[in-house]
Amino acid sequence: DTEVTQTPKHLVMGMTNKKSLKCEQHMGHRAMYWYKQKAKKPPELMFVYSYEKLSINESVPSRFSPECPNSSLLNLHLHALQPEDSALYLCASSQAWKAESYNSPLHFGNGTRLTVT
Amino acid sequence: AQSVTQPDIHITVSEGASLELRCNYSYGATPYLFWYVQSPGQGLQLLLKYFSGDTLVQGIKGFEAEFKRSQSSFNLRKPSVHWSDAAEYFCAVVPMTTDSWGKFQFGAGTQVVVTP
Repeated sequence: DTEVTQTPKHLVMGMTNKKSLKCEQHMGHRAMYWYKQKAKKPPELMFVYSYEKLSINESVPSRFSPECPNSSLLNLHLHALQPEDSALYLCASSQAWKAESYNSPLHFGNGTRLTVT
Repeated sequence: AQSVTQPDIHITVSEGASLELRCNYSYGATPYLFWYVQSPGQGLQLLLKYFSGDTLVQGIKGFEAEFKRSQSSFNLRKPSVHWSDAAEYFCAVVPMTTDSWGKFQFGAGTQVVVTP
């Protein structure tokens, strides 16, 4: 079983809808990530949160809005998406409370398969 | 430019045969190195990692990887492949610089098919 839980597993939404993806981890990790993965491609980094603060935004369009309510939760709010945004959205976490472990491995959830119609 | 390359897009191997997946990186200094595996419809699972020290790294599921600084490579190996090893394999790197913290860069992936 994965230690990073993502809900929902599948989501179909229209271009005018507003929806949210959720991610939860209870490993005490202080860094959390959103990745986007298209079919047959590697994951692409979208956002990184460290200690609940947004540290990296890889020039993601504003129709994607991340939120980190606390150290265990990470949300991705979706609004006015385009069909090309259809993809697998992966959440990940890593240890970040010590400088020497800031590059500790990523632990991934199983993802949310998003289809925009 | 910094990059990570997996030269083989697709590899077919017979069950019981050995497997080697290639990964090359281009960075100013040795980065942190990882191998992940992704089964269909799943997230990525960490197989092994290299930070420093012994250049032969043991991982889960019988995998190992060897870091070769002179070749800028971090190749993944398994002596005897099982049908359950059929999956997509990603090499990932993170530069050892503070301003690159969190920026894991993934190779394009290698699809492994296992035949009976």
